[in-house]
Amino acid sequence: SQQGEEDPQALSIQEGENATMNCSYKTSINNLQWYRQNSGRGLVHLILIRSNEREKHSGRLRVTLDTSKKSSSLLITASRAADTASYFCATVANQAGTALIFGKGTTLSVSS
Amino acid sequence: KAGVTQTPRYLIKTRGQQVTLSCSPISGHRSVSWYQQTPGQGLQFLFEYFSETQRNKGNFPGRFSGRQFSNSRSEMNVSTLELGDSALYLCASSQSGRADLEVYEQYFGPGTRLTVT
Repeated sequence: SQQGEEDPQALSIQEGENATMNCSYKTSINNLQWYRQNSGRGLVHLILIRSNEREKHSGRLRVTLDTSKKSSSLLITASRAADTASYFCATVANQAGTALIFGKGTTLSVSS
Repeated sequence: KAGVTQTPRYLIKTRGQQVTLSCSPISGHRSVSWYQQTPGQGLQFLFEYFSETQRNKGNFPGRFSGRQFSNSRSEMNVSTLELGDSALYLCASSQSGRADLEVYEQYFGPGTRLTVT
């Protein structure tokens, strides 16, 4: 079953614009991660935010976490065509290990 | 360090056959997880191994099985293949041994694209 649900499912923007994706999850978490997947390939880890953090930055990425609303957002600033990909949020399945439960993802298309 | 490798990259099988997929984690990583990705169901967790023990298992039928070897390499097996097993199978390795506040991002391989006809 999906733990997170991303919104929107698809997003189309122009280069230079900002892209915002949202994720909601169901259970309590220790941290939340965001991954990117280029068409049909493996996933690449983008950023991890812990439950005691509210905001985190990495380059052009900004992630926020609201544990009271069980939601997170990923902002990509000044988007580039190379940012075209699917983006997934993920949380740990349970405390016994590191396996992840993914949302359905947001497909971002950046046109030049 | 070399990344996570998966073999084969592409595979075509017929219904009823069985298949074995292989994953070599990043050197030093002891946790290996497997995921199935389909257009309809998205990314779904199959199982996780740590030090040759299955630590977590997703909601998949018993036709899906796996194992991990002493060198952390892992294999997954699907018996009696069905059309619905057509998917991208992703393997990921992680450095951390337990889910805590330490960073434990997962490193994914390129996947094995399985087509069942």
